[in-house]
Amino acid sequence: EAQVTQNPRYLITVTGKKLTVTCSQNMNHEYMSWYRQDPGLGLRQIYYSMNVEVTDKGDVPEGYKVSRKEKRNFPLILESPSPNQTSLYFCASKRAQSSYEQYFGPGTRLTVT
Amino acid sequence: GDSVTQMEGPVTLSEEAFLTINCTYTATGYPSLFWYVQYPGEGLQLLLKATKADDKGSNKGFEATYRKETTSFHLEKGSVQVSDSAVYFCALTAGGTSYGKLTFGQGTILTVHP
Repeated sequence: EAQVTQNPRYLITVTGKKLTVTCSQNMNHEYMSWYRQDPGLGLRQIYYSMNVEVTDKGDVPEGYKVSRKEKRNFPLILESPSPNQTSLYFCASKRAQSSYEQYFGPGTRLTVT
Repeated sequence: GDSVTQMEGPVTLSEEAFLTINCTYTATGYPSLFWYVQYPGEGLQLLLKATKADDKGSNKGFEATYRKETTSFHLEKGSVQVSDSAVYFCALTAGGTSYGKLTFGQGTILTVHP
């Protein structure tokens, strides 16, 4: 089954404790990205990757890092989480030459206290 | 920059009622337009899309027409069901240097009562 998986689905942590949210897709997609969803703001792009070892900032990259060492994986790293990063996070992927459809993971709800 | 504005929500309807969720956009060039749906506890799923002016996207009884003259992409369904209760997002992708990036509206919560 074609899918995007994220782990963990739920996470409660404290300010300053480094964490990583994993994202993996099994569709051999070149393009992957991370979004955060906040009430009244919709989804905003954090980072994206066009292919292995190619990453770039989205609209709200501050406080986040990513890496793309393998085509299937695109982890999101919070080196020093802060309460304003409490949000619902989604990973998405698509073929580079696709007809635009993006596939989304189930989401990770992060709470930073 | 690009932006998407959806009608204020939430929207509450009775089963079999007519649904309209308004969406307008601002973008340079010729964006592609989408409606995504998010069911409780799940990720987003593509509901329908339109890639050029006057295109009509349709799926599961939902329709939306790409209106370039009014920069709109309103979502409609003639008879909603309880199972349509979800959050609906209008979105666009403009291509070019923003290749692949989806710009979303704020989302509209739809609740359908039996």
